[in-house]
Amino acid sequence: KQEVTQIPAALSVPEGENLVLNCSFTDSAIYNLQWFRQDPGKGLTSLLLIQSSQREQTSGRLNASLDKSSGRSTLYIAASQPGDSATYLCAPALTDSWGKLQFGAGTQVVVTP
Amino acid sequence: SQTIHQWPATLVQPVGSPLSLECTVEGTSNPNLYWYRQAAGRGLQLLFYSVGIGQISSEVPQNLSASRPQDRQFILSSKKLLLSDSGFYLCAWSVLDSGEQYFGPGTRLTVT
Repeated sequence: KQEVTQIPAALSVPEGENLVLNCSFTDSAIYNLQWFRQDPGKGLTSLLLIQSSQREQTSGRLNASLDKSSGRSTLYIAASQPGDSATYLCAPALTDSWGKLQFGAGTQVVVTP
Repeated sequence: SQTIHQWPATLVQPVGSPLSLECTVEGTSNPNLYWYRQAAGRGLQLLFYSVGIGQISSEVPQNLSASRPQDRQFILSSKKLLLSDSGFYLCAWSVLDSGEQYFGPGTRLTVT
């Protein structure tokens, strides 16, 4: 069974600092990996999708890397803003799993003005 | 563009009462559909997934069931709710080629 761990569990930084969120998973036979953002009481917003053949994916201030062989992905958020405050979730999908995602517990981020 | 709807947004139900949560997707055909639950202080857990009309797979044994009566409609049901069924229920659909999943706004269920 895929186990997903996200470190740290919580993070508080002043505005302008770069954020580094880590995700590790135990089964490297993944099809893809998604990073999501969840605001309190809301659904999940997809941030980035990395296919298993890719090493990284970028969108604006967000960059996600994937090292499938070592079972790790990292989400970088450059020049953080108070609006980046949210819980960030990592979710790999195993190959031949019909896209079923296994979620980590998330990293709760607070960016202070 | 694709849109996913869930209703109701919030629900308060007594123990032993029935449940029906609905999810519909617009702007796509033959999507894979998923039901997840997020209990207080716990991570997201996959409950059911469907790859086509009438095709439902269960991930977690429980008193919940799911149905897919139409291509873009996914329903989560229970005949008798338990206190442990309280939580935030999320429906999702995925793009078949990339596998990227998109989530609905969720239903907050409180069983009293």
